[in-house]
Amino acid sequence: DIQMTQSPSSLSASVGDRVTITCRASQRFSNYLSWYQQKPGKAPKLLIYAASSLQSGVPARFSGNGSGTDFTLTISSLQPEDFATYYCQQSYSTRWTFGQGTKVEIK
Amino acid sequence: QVQLQESGPGLVKPSQTLSLTCTVSGGSISSGDYYWSWIRQPPGKGLEWIGNIYYFGNTYYNPSLKSRVSISVDSSKNQFSLKLTSVTAADTAVYFCARTLDGASDAFDIWGQGTMVTVSS
Repeated sequence: DIQMTQSPSSLSASVGDRVTITCRASQRFSNYLSWYQQKPGKAPKLLIYAASSLQSGVPARFSGNGSGTDFTLTISSLQPEDFATYYCQQSYSTRWTFGQGTKVEIK
Repeated sequence: QVQLQESGPGLVKPSQTLSLTCTVSGGSISSGDYYWSWIRQPPGKGLEWIGNIYYFGNTYYNPSLKSRVSISVDSSKNQFSLKLTSVTAADTAVYFCARTLDGASDAFDIWGQGTMVTVSS
């Protein structure tokens, strides 16, 4: 199994801040990495697929990067609607796994 | 636009079988560009992938659940279904169905709203 470890588990930030969330895999793989945003009581929403491709309709302030074992999600200028929990997910191994989540809160 | 909707009992007794259906609207479940998935989320916890199915029936399951899980598709009804046998309290969760991109990264691009299933006597 590939374990996905996100850091930090939570963070406090202000509107306008640049925020970066890291996802580290327990073994190397190619770009089978996606990022999701989840708000309370709602289904997750796809933000980034194939490590760096922006899903249609997602604001350009979201970007993804990385390869191998280290992947990042960056929000260039945090907006009020971005306060949520973010998950990475790998679909490379036979057991697809998610990171434990990063909760982005208002400072 | 494509929408997914889960349906099924919200309460299941321990040792019984959990059965859920996902109805796809606004598009065909037989599209070769996608496959169809189940994911769950225990209360206050993270996400767990359960398994996938292609419209022609090929399935892929989470090895940790494989002995208890079955996913099937009914193209005539544009639905796919989940069965989880011998449930325990640990199977209490919100269950989501999702459309999965078949390609570069197998991402879940469209999700149902989720349905809460509680395992309790």
